[in-house]
Amino acid sequence: QVQLQESGPGLVKPSQTLSLTCTVSGGPISSGGYYWSWIRQPAGKGLEWIGRVYISGSPNYNPSLTSRVSISVDTSKNQFSLKLSSVTAADTAVYYCARVRRDFNNSGRDYYYMDVWGKGTTVTVSS
Amino acid sequence: DIQMTQSPSSLSASVGDRVTITCRASQSIARYLNWYQLKPGKAPKALIYAASSLQSGVPSRFSGGGSGTEFTLTISSLQPEDFATYYCQQDYTTPSFGQGTKLEI
Repeated sequence: QVQLQESGPGLVKPSQTLSLTCTVSGGPISSGGYYWSWIRQPAGKGLEWIGRVYISGSPNYNPSLTSRVSISVDTSKNQFSLKLSSVTAADTAVYYCARVRRDFNNSGRDYYYMDVWGKGTTVTVSS
Repeated sequence: DIQMTQSPSSLSASVGDRVTITCRASQSIARYLNWYQLKPGKAPKALIYAASSLQSGVPSRFSGGGSGTEFTLTISSLQPEDFATYYCQQDYTTPSFGQGTKLEI
């Protein structure tokens, strides 16, 4: 059974880069044709999709974050990572990593949904 | 951007009740709609994908319906472990979520 675990600094200073890692256990990150995604949730607010990446191919990012975000995969470590630059207090949130499953659709674009999630890690942006 | 609006924002119910949560999209998203359950301190859980397909391992008391702009998540008989916050999410374009529905005892 695949499990995901987020890790990284819980406190980041304004204007610096937030860096988080998601470690995948229970199976190789490169198998199964999955995408890998990051989502966040500011305290008291709803969920915000950050982006997703496939093992091969260009990542897709939320247009509201695309100038500051980077998601990459390290198959040798069975991990994928998130980097968010020039952070402000508005980036304070619980950050989740998730596996994205692709469900084939004979009559149109395939369906994608996040079938396995990590428990989340809290990141605070403060000096 | 596609805006997702859930109703109600919160809901009080009892064990054994049948409850329905509605999610509306600002434009048609066909059936590209997923539902998730969130509980504090736990990994979020996928419940429904492609509007009405039940995720493996999810109890059959959960069901989803709808297409286009209006969708529903129904729990046929509430169990104690179902009290949580539920989110819809569209994957028709850049993924986005509803604001959540908190289901309370």
